[in-house]
Amino acid sequence: SYVLTQPPSVSVAPGKTATITCGGDNIGRKSVHWYQQGPGQAPVLLIYEDRDRPSGIPERFSGSNSGNTATLTISRVEAGDEADYYCQVWDTFSSHWVFGGGTKLTVL
Amino acid sequence: QVHLVQSGTEVKKPGASVRVSCKASGYTFANYGISWVRQAPGQGLEWMGWISAYNGNTNYAQNLRGRVSMTTDTSTTTAYMDLKSLRSDDTAVYFCARVLLGSLSFDYWGQGTLVTVSS
Repeated sequence: SYVLTQPPSVSVAPGKTATITCGGDNIGRKSVHWYQQGPGQAPVLLIYEDRDRPSGIPERFSGSNSGNTATLTISRVEAGDEADYYCQVWDTFSSHWVFGGGTKLTVL
Repeated sequence: QVHLVQSGTEVKKPGASVRVSCKASGYTFANYGISWVRQAPGQGLEWMGWISAYNGNTNYAQNLRGRVSMTTDTSTTTAYMDLKSLRSDDTAVYFCARVLLGSLSFDYWGQGTLVTVSS
């Protein structure tokens, strides 16, 4: 089955830029979605189809996808961005959705 | 405004079954699918399966086939997830999520239902 690999943790100072990666075999050929999950909360769709933001999601959140790596970038990081972030794809081969293992973002 | 409201906490013994419901409102229920995702304590998200609210077609994660069943009731705009032969490692928070047509992303989520399996 298709595997998505994320770093377990990323740390960033307030006001700086955080980068969270999601690796997968030729992931650039797939459509990647990103979710943010605060402690004890349900996930929230942050980015869909690699780079599109649902209404209400700040422009500070952006996404890209190429080759074997998709990337979520958070600009001007705020304390409230501290959360777990998950990437997701639809694997056409298995007809299953797949999540990455998640990345815990810590704001220093 | 789209809302998915799930049923409450469940405590079950090993070998029992559980049903979690997900009441949808604010959109045309039959026009979307519902996926179920679970999260064991301290762990990541695990996709469990999907059901079309239009025709009831289902697609289950391979590791749960035979134990999971998903249904919908269009008259009450409610989706159900049944899991049988519960084990301790089924202890998790279970989420329902609406599947956005086209992108296949999960655009709205329920609040989650804690299912604890313990003797």
